[in-house]
Amino acid sequence: GAGVSQSPRYKVAKRGQDVALRCDPISGHVSLFWYQQALGQGPEFLTYFQNEAQLDKSGLPSDRFFAERPEGSVSTLKIQRTQQEDSAVYLCASSSRTGPNTGELFFGEGSRLTVL
Amino acid sequence: AQTVTQSQPEMSVQEAETVTLSCTYDTSESDYYLFWYKQPPSRQMILVIRQEAYKQQNATENRFSVNFQKAAKSFSLKISDSQLGDAAMYFCALSGGYQKVTFGIGTKLQVIP
Repeated sequence: GAGVSQSPRYKVAKRGQDVALRCDPISGHVSLFWYQQALGQGPEFLTYFQNEAQLDKSGLPSDRFFAERPEGSVSTLKIQRTQQEDSAVYLCASSSRTGPNTGELFFGEGSRLTVL
Repeated sequence: AQTVTQSQPEMSVQEAETVTLSCTYDTSESDYYLFWYKQPPSRQMILVIRQEAYKQQNATENRFSVNFQKAAKSFSLKISDSQLGDAAMYFCALSGGYQKVTFGIGTKLQVIP
């Protein structure tokens, strides 16, 4: 596609529900990143994929967070048993370059998760 | 570890005037990149300008330029001839070595007509 596409744009979940957030990167981009942006904060790194391989998941805050990119294109970020502190905007970014320090990232519009 | 500090939560500028946004950083890497990203309200974040640490010359992109002071670990963004469309959150970011990109907390820029 022309840009990074994320869905849903907005998600409201009750505490304890599972949610899945989807990211469709720019076609051909090998690198894919997930970031979490809390209100009034900068994006915080969650995880990085190079093609289908998850090379860095050091930013995932707990084992309730899980990400996958099985075919090296679309990625899904899953949050199990959501908690109020999970409320944030989840940003996906892709890059044509490899390595987590590629820097020039192309971002989607984000998925805003609100946990009640 | 690498850190990015933006100490100006909000800034305002008159349309057509010049404004400078500040950023300081810390990294143990000798080879790294610095970035300014712009995030308009409810729109996706886009790259404004990039600076390679090994380059002494400050990067420029049209009305946007940086003042890169390597020894002081300072990386400020200057916006000249400010336009209403420049109103946004601006994030300073750093990537060094093989580390992920680290962002500051952002500066909200208001442009006054």
